[in-house]
Amino acid sequence: QITLRESGPTLVKPTQTLTLTCTFSGFSLSTSGMGVGWIRQPPGKALDWLALIYWDDDKRYSPSLRGRLTITKDTSKNQVVLTMTNMDPVDTATYHCAHRPAPGTFFDFWGQGILVTVSS
Amino acid sequence: QSVLTQPPSVSGTPGQRVTISCTGSSSNIGAGYDVHWYQQLPGTAPKLLIYVNNNRPSGVPDRFSGSKSGTSASLAITGLQAEDEADYYCQSYDNSRSGCVVFGGGTKLTVL
Repeated sequence: QITLRESGPTLVKPTQTLTLTCTFSGFSLSTSGMGVGWIRQPPGKALDWLALIYWDDDKRYSPSLRGRLTITKDTSKNQVVLTMTNMDPVDTATYHCAHRPAPGTFFDFWGQGILVTVSS
Repeated sequence: QSVLTQPPSVSGTPGQRVTISCTGSSSNIGAGYDVHWYQQLPGTAPKLLIYVNNNRPSGVPDRFSGSKSGTSASLAITGLQAEDEADYYCQSYDNSRSGCVVFGGGTKLTVL
């Protein structure tokens, strides 16, 4: 059974860097075709894709946030880390990580999400 | 502004059939990329509802179906039930932005 869980700070100050960790089980990110993505959702708003990392370390970023985002993986720890620099109150959202199966361009398992508030 | 356009809201009565549209362009749905649908119940994480245009994961009732044509896709729900009241999102890929994931703006389904 695939599970994912997000962890990190729930409150950050403007201009700070946010670091979130996705710890997963039930699959290996070294398996060909697999991927893990990050998606956020501001309160009352739509889903917003942020980044995706593949088994071969290929990385894709949202064009609107490229330059602020970095996604990395630690296959031995079954973790994916997302960093977002220069946080702003508009970045307040629930941040989810999700599993992308191989093959597939969708997310079949999601973490429950972590609400991150950006406020001074 | 989302790359994929969905109606903000739809509604129906129990037992009715409702559809939710998802309109894209030649760089995403029209380019042949698959469309997927998610259901998000209040206060929960999104759940995969339909994948690769018209496939249901195990456990999803056959009341839910998907279709795709040209630059658009649709989610149909038949035999509407109170428990279907949720937000629904479509998702695809877009090749105008270095192969990135795109979501629709979401549709709130209200069961009257």
